[in-house]
Amino acid sequence: DARVTQTPRHKVTEMGQEVTMRCQPILGHNTVFWYRQTMMQGLELLAYFRNRAPLDDSGMPKDRFSAEMPDATLATLKIQPSEPRDSAVYFCASGPGWGAKNIQYFGAGTRLSVL
Amino acid sequence: DQQVKQNSPSLSVQEGRISILNCDYTNSMFDYFLWYKKYPAEGPTFLISISSIKDKNEDGRFTVFLNKSAKHLSLHIVPSQPGDSAVYFCAATPGTASKLTFGTGTRLQVTL
Repeated sequence: DARVTQTPRHKVTEMGQEVTMRCQPILGHNTVFWYRQTMMQGLELLAYFRNRAPLDDSGMPKDRFSAEMPDATLATLKIQPSEPRDSAVYFCASGPGWGAKNIQYFGAGTRLSVL
Repeated sequence: DQQVKQNSPSLSVQEGRISILNCDYTNSMFDYFLWYKKYPAEGPTFLISISSIKDKNEDGRFTVFLNKSAKHLSLHIVPSQPGDSAVYFCAATPGTASKLTFGTGTRLQVTL
């Protein structure tokens, strides 16, 4: 049963600390997305990759957030330094990147709390 | 600037009745629309989609209707079941681009 795997599931940290979230996309998918879920904005797109190349990171605060794909099986989202307003659930999704359906498959998310 | 809007944060429906969830969009370039369902502590899962060349798509108890002139789509669930209680997100994309724009979600509660 292919699925997107995110680690950790929960993270509690103190303001100013670095946070790294990891995502393993579904094997064979060549697009990877990072979203943040907040009450006010719903699911906000932070960044996405196709074939490991960043295509759009306009939704991401550049001064503290960074997203990378070191290889096809791993995507990372880092926050340094973290702030209380970063507290949210962060989702990774992957997709086959072809065809008209544009269906994305989501991981279970990382719930981040910055104290 | 919310390009996809779900104006009802929550909806309560009795089991067996019809649930209607609404979504409006502002970007005329959107031509493919999707609904996702999300349970607590899980990621969203794809439910049903519709292309702008259609005005209706049906999959079992779920039907999505698209009114392009009004830039409005709706998801109908008939009959509603307690297991349908979840948050439903509407999403849109301009053609074959992979980027989805999501609404803020509607929490559906199906009561006994």
